[in-house]
Amino acid sequence: DIQMTQSPSSLSASVGDRVTITCRASQTIRSYLNWYQQKPGKAPNLLIFAASFLRSGVPSRFSGSGSGTGFTLTISSLQPEDFATYYCQQSYSTPYTFGQGTKVEIK
Amino acid sequence: QVQLQESGPGLVKPSETLSLTCTVSNDSVRNFYWSWIRQPAGKGLEWIGHIYPSGSTNYNPSLKSRVTMSVDTSKNQFSLNLTSVTAADTAVYYCARDMSRGWYRELDYWGQGTLVTVSS
Repeated sequence: DIQMTQSPSSLSASVGDRVTITCRASQTIRSYLNWYQQKPGKAPNLLIFAASFLRSGVPSRFSGSGSGTGFTLTISSLQPEDFATYYCQQSYSTPYTFGQGTKVEIK
Repeated sequence: QVQLQESGPGLVKPSETLSLTCTVSNDSVRNFYWSWIRQPAGKGLEWIGHIYPSGSTNYNPSLKSRVTMSVDTSKNQFSLNLTSVTAADTAVYYCARDMSRGWYRELDYWGQGTLVTVSS
C-alpha cells in the first residue's frame, strides 16, 4: 500500500493567514492526489483533484500543487469557515489511502 | 445534485455481519464506480473498497477476506457486507461516488455517514 504522510498534524492560524499543508507519498503517485475538507460530524468534501484542479464551487483561495511524491494544499487567506480537518488521498493505485489529516484550528 | 444516503443497523453484535446499503439519487449507479470508506471516532479515513456496476470490485487487502460489495441497478443502490465484525469495526461508514476523469479518480459525492457500533 502507498503510505500518505501529512504535516503538520495540526496548526493554529488566524483569519487572513496563509496556510500550507504538506502531503508526502511513500512512492511516486504522479498527480493522482486529491484533497478533502472535513468539518466535525460531516462527511469529507472534495476540494482539489488531480493535485491542482479546483473543484467547481470551491473558493479560489484554495490551491493545490505538486507531483511525484510531494504535494501542498494552500489556503491563501484563511476564512472562519475554513477551520476544519484536511486530508490528502492518493488514487494512483488501490487501495486508495489517505493522509492522517491536518486539523486547522483558530489561533 | 447527486445525493447518497447510507442505511442499515446502527448496532451489530461481535462475530456477526455488518450490512449497509447506499441509495443514490439524481444519478445512476450504472455510470460510475462506488466506494465505501470508514472512519473510527476521532481517527482518519480508511477506504474499504469500490464496485462497478458490472460487478468488478477492488477491496482493501486489510479487509478483503471479510468484505463483499454488490450493486442493485433496479433500486439504484449499492451495498456493503462485512463479516465477523469486532469492536475494531466500530466506525462511521460513508458511501461515495468514485468519479473518473480519464485516469484520474476522486471521491466527489459522499453520503452523510452512518455510525455502526459493534457491541454485544
